[in-house]
Amino acid sequence: NAGVTQTPKFRVLKTGQSMTLLCAQDMNHEYMYWYRQDPGMGLRLIHYSVGEGTTAKGEVPDGYNVSRLKKQNFLLGLESAAPSQTSVYFCASRGLSGANVLTFGAGSRLTVL
Amino acid sequence: GNSVTQMEGPVTLSEEAFLTINCTYTATGYPSLFWYVQYPGEGLQLLLKATKADDKGSNKGFEATYRKETTSFHLEKGSVQVSDSAVYFCALRLMRGQLTFGSGTQLTVLP
Repeated sequence: NAGVTQTPKFRVLKTGQSMTLLCAQDMNHEYMYWYRQDPGMGLRLIHYSVGEGTTAKGEVPDGYNVSRLKKQNFLLGLESAAPSQTSVYFCASRGLSGANVLTFGAGSRLTVL
Repeated sequence: GNSVTQMEGPVTLSEEAFLTINCTYTATGYPSLFWYVQYPGEGLQLLLKATKADDKGSNKGFEATYRKETTSFHLEKGSVQVSDSAVYFCALRLMRGQLTFGSGTQLTVLP
């Protein structure tokens, strides 16, 4: 019962480097989300997907790209990392009949130097 | 726009003390309301929810009542335990919308 799995758990980047965070869920959920969590600001939605092949912008999409080529995977990319993107990133998913309840991954801590 | 305001933390209590974490919201419409909990090193988990006015959500000894007249959803527990130490997030969701989270309240319970 893996639920939502995020990789990697920790990563340190230099400014300008690129990387991809992977989110995988094994619950056949339609909806998937990427949030960032910063001190005193709660969780802010970056991008989300309502189904395979679809993506949409959330509250803070700038500097990020996403792809949902397979239903179970939702990738978050940083093309040119900036120190402002230092954060903890959470992936979440929800089924159609999930009564609005999100299942979260354990988080990925990213530091950009 | 929609927003959630939580009482600022951190909150430190002794074991068996009474807990209240305030949450108020602003929404254009009638949202569903949620409390999520985040234990150290983990992702968020749903603690309880309420979908309409006067509903009471409850779980693990925690309760919150959806108060439309005061636009509030305060979290309460009569007797906290050390294991309740975590960050608590209030959130709302409108029909077909996305979850909007509050800033979170850190709770530490001392033995």
